[in-house]
Amino acid sequence: AQRVTQPEKLLSVFKGAPVELKCNYSYSGSPELFWYVQYSRQRLQLLLRHISRESIKGFTADLNKGETSFHLKKPFAQEEDSAMYYCALSGRTSGTYKYIFGTGTRLKVLA
Amino acid sequence: NAGVTQTPKFQVLKTGQSMTLQCAQDMNHEYMSWYRQDPGMGLRLIHYSVGAGITDQGEVPNGYNVSRSTTEDFPLRLLSAAPSQTSVYFCASSYTPAGGEQYFGPGTRLTVT
Repeated sequence: AQRVTQPEKLLSVFKGAPVELKCNYSYSGSPELFWYVQYSRQRLQLLLRHISRESIKGFTADLNKGETSFHLKKPFAQEEDSAMYYCALSGRTSGTYKYIFGTGTRLKVLA
Repeated sequence: NAGVTQTPKFQVLKTGQSMTLQCAQDMNHEYMSWYRQDPGMGLRLIHYSVGAGITDQGEVPNGYNVSRSTTEDFPLRLLSAAPSQTSVYFCASSYTPAGGEQYFGPGTRLTVT
């Protein structure tokens, strides 16, 4: 079954510490992976997609097909990074494309 | 360019009432979808549409109906509201159903008493 797993509901780190938000997926095929972010009282917005291989706001994510993971990393957390982060997968299932979201990880960056 | 808009922002319903959540996009996107967001459950797909006149069920479709008469609009109807439908509802659109970035609306917070 297609699934996206984010094992941590809440991750608290101190400002300046490294951050890693974990994402594992289960999919039979070649999916497209994304990270979305939702800041307080704002709508979800795209942060990263694996095919672009770029760094946004200091965040990077590498697709590891062997481990079926797409962890989100930032070397030095900032207070403004506090938000809800969702990992998502897009792929073809039974002839149609669908998006599957993980359950989300709330990141709290402490001063 | 307003992007994806949703109305209302907040709504309180009594059990058994019906209502329609409105969603519109002005980006000429073919793919539109509705999600509900619940604590600890993430985002779950309710219904989606790959173009005008074409809709399909997502992961949690029971109790909801949709239609897509135009490219721009994708309303979500609650037929007979139940407390289990208390949630935050997000509409999203993308240029193509074949992956790519989804653009989200601001959400509708629905409470059913």
